[in-house]
This record gives sequence, C-alpha cells and structure tokens, in this order.
Amino acid sequence: QVQLQESGPGLVKPSQTLSLTCTVSGGSISSGRSYWSWIRQPAGGGLEWLGRIYTTGSTSYKPSLESRVTFSVDTSKNQLSLKLNSVTAADTAVYYCARDPVGDALDIWGQGTMVTVSS
Amino acid sequence: DIQMTQSPSSLSASVGDRVTITCQASQDISNCLNWYQQIPGKAPKLLIYDASHLGTGLPSRFSGSGSGTLFTFTISSLQPEDIATYYCQQCDDLPTFGQGTKLEIK
Repeated sequence: QVQLQESGPGLVKPSQTLSLTCTVSGGSISSGRSYWSWIRQPAGGGLEWLGRIYTTGSTSYKPSLESRVTFSVDTSKNQLSLKLNSVTAADTAVYYCARDPVGDALDIWGQGTMVTVSS
Repeated sequence: DIQMTQSPSSLSASVGDRVTITCQASQDISNCLNWYQQIPGKAPKLLIYDASHLGTGLPSRFSGSGSGTLFTFTISSLQPEDIATYYCQQCDDLPTFGQGTKLEIK
C-alpha cells in the first residue's frame, strides 16, 4: 500500500527558502502515471492547495504562489520536493503531500510536517 | 479561482442524528466535487469522490449528492467517531477547498 511521508526543517527564517521532501513508499512514483499535490494548513485554519506535479514532471501551481514555488520529482529516490522562496510568517503551516491518481481526488495523504517561519 | 462556500461552518448534533453539510461552487463544476474528513491532529481522508461515490471500505452512512453548483454531504446516523472537520473540494479547475465544517457531538 502506498504511503507518503513529508520531511524537512521545522523552522525557517523569514526571506529564506522552505524546502520539503515527500518520500513515497509501497509503490514506485514512475510505475504508474499520477499527479502528486502539495497542500498546506495553518494552525486552526483550512486547507490550501499549493499545486501538483505529474509523474512526467509537468507542474501546475496555485496562481498566487506561482512566482515563489517549485515542485520537482526524483524517481530514483521515489521522492517529491517542494521549494518555496521568500517565506514570511504567513507561510507557517502544516504541509501535506498527497496522491491524486487522475487529477481529481486526493486519495492518499502524508501525515504532514509542521513548518514555522520565524527569526 | 472557483470559490467553494460550505455551510454551516460548525454543527452540533447528537449520536444517531442525520447530519447534512452543503457546499456551493461559484460556477458550474459538473460533478467534480470531493468530500474529506479531518480528525483533529490527523491528515484529511477522502470520503466521497465525484460528488456521490463512496470511497472504498468506508461506512455506508456517508453519502454525497449534487451537481452543477450545489452539493450536499450527509451522515445518515451520526457516530461518535465522526467528530471531525469536513471539507469539500472542487476538481473542475485547479483544486480549491471549502472553508470546512466542524462537527461536534451535542
């Protein structure tokens, strides 16, 4: 069964770059065609879709974040990556990765990783 | 962006009650609407996809309906383990979520 696990530094300084990894286990990213999304959730807040990357590497980003965010996929490590630059306190949130098999519904989620932006 | 408006934002009900949550899209999204359950401290879980299809292995007390701009999510008989926040999400365009409905036991 496919499982996702996010990882990264829990604390990032303002104006720096937030870098997260999502490790996929129980299946190969490259064995089937799928979208992989990133979602975040501030404490006590709702869910915000940040964007997604297809197995082939093509991406779609939330328009308001497009200038700051980059997704990538490393099939050799079975990992997805998120980079968000010029972070502010508003980027403080739990970040999730999730599988989206056909660009429709997010059927498998990681447990999430908390990121705090603070000096 | 397609805006998703959920109501109510919070709801208190008794065990055994029928519970209904509504989600309205700012434009026609056909049946491209999913529902998620988020138990406190946990990741969201997909319950209903394409408006009315129940996820594999999930209890039949959960159901969804609707098309176009108006959708409903129903729990036919509320159980204590259903305490959570529920979100709708449209998939007709770049995904957007409703603001969530927090469900509590009365």
